[in-house]
This record gives sequence, structure tokens and C-alpha cells, in this order.
Amino acid sequence: EAGVAQSPRYKIIEKRQSVAFWCNPISGHATLYWYQQILGQGPKLLIQFQNNGVVDDSQLPKDRFSAERLKGVDSTLKIQPAKLEDSAVYLCASSLISGVRNTEAFFGQGTRLTVV
Amino acid sequence: AQTVTQSQPEMSVQEAETVTLSCTYDTSESDYYLFWYKQPPSRQMILVIRQEAYKQQNATENRFSVNFQKAAKSFSLKISDSQLGDAAMYFCAYSITGANSKLTFGKGITLSVRP
Repeated sequence: EAGVAQSPRYKIIEKRQSVAFWCNPISGHATLYWYQQILGQGPKLLIQFQNNGVVDDSQLPKDRFSAERLKGVDSTLKIQPAKLEDSAVYLCASSLISGVRNTEAFFGQGTRLTVV
Repeated sequence: AQTVTQSQPEMSVQEAETVTLSCTYDTSESDYYLFWYKQPPSRQMILVIRQEAYKQQNATENRFSVNFQKAAKSFSLKISDSQLGDAAMYFCAYSITGANSKLTFGKGITLSVRP
């Protein structure tokens, strides 16, 4: 079974530029998560989708971050304009459906973003 | 709000020895999940072990076991017969049950294994 795919693996941009990350979840997984992991910290949830609807985006900095999940499958996370403090690893995860007992979240390998 | 605390930033263990990683959490819920995830340098989070709060029996997965103390809100991971491949970041995480569940992570601990 193919895992969660993310691209690119690495990205370096200058501050005030824009950047986009892509995630392809495991086939059939209804729930998709984007996490931000700053160096030395645990991942923090940015946004959660159930199919193509947003379940939780309370910690998404909406003035610069946006995310969409077209047709309830692939998702893109965009930052515009980027700030130095956005340097982090962006992790995508998916699960069959949230709220079902014993549903495991599977993670991709993440995108390491460096803003200079 | 739920919080997860990992107070040890680093630990080291001799190969083949046993090590225990500590975690405490805070929640007002009675039904929830607790997890330990491993994150090697490849960055991919790998689920090590999961505990359901309503189960009194501690979870075990091969060399990995937990000590779940619900009243104390403590959830430690024991790694027996440590191997070089166990070296990684380890994160304790919490999730409510029910709709819209999501993971809340601690800061993580870096485990090194000495040959």
C-alpha cells in the first residue's frame, strides 16, 4: 500500500516570496491533516480536512497561509508571503476517518522549508 | 485545552539495555488515546504504540511497552533490548476520541543508542 506522498522534500525561499506544498494521502483516507513542526518542537496542527471540508483551521495563520483539498483527495498548503519564522517541516498525515476507534494517522516524510 | 509535556530533551542508552521515556499530559476528558511516535532523520512519523484510556491493561508491542497511570496522567514508554535503530526523536501524543479527533504532540525527546 502506498503511503502519504509529499513534495517537494526541501524548499528554500526568500522572505516575502510564496511557496506551495503538495500532499497525496493514502487512497480512501477521508481525513487529511497538515502539521507544522518547528525545529526542536513537536508538530502543531495547522488544518484538518474531512473529505473536502475543513474541520479545524483554528491554528492556521489565515493572513498568510491557505489550504485546499480538491475533490477530497490531494491537498495543497500555500504560504504567501513567507516570513522567517515559517521555517519548519510541514507534515501531511491522513487517516481513514477521524472519530472511529483505532483509526491510525499515517504521516508523509514532510517538506523542510527554509526562509532566508 | 489538552497539553502534553515531555520534560527530558535528551536521553542515552547502551545497546541491549532498557530505557524509559517519560510523558505527562493534561485533559478533562475521560476517554482518549495516547501514543508514542518515532521520528528518525527521514522525518517520517512512525507509530510505535497506542494506549486507549478506557483500557487498564498497559499496551505492549514487542520490545516496546507503556506504563499508563491514568490518575497521575502519566504515560511512559519503555524500550527493552535497545537497538541502534531505535535512535530517533520520540514524541508523546494525545487524541480525543469521537469526531474531529486530532493529535496533540509533546516537544519530543532525542534518544541516542551507544554501541
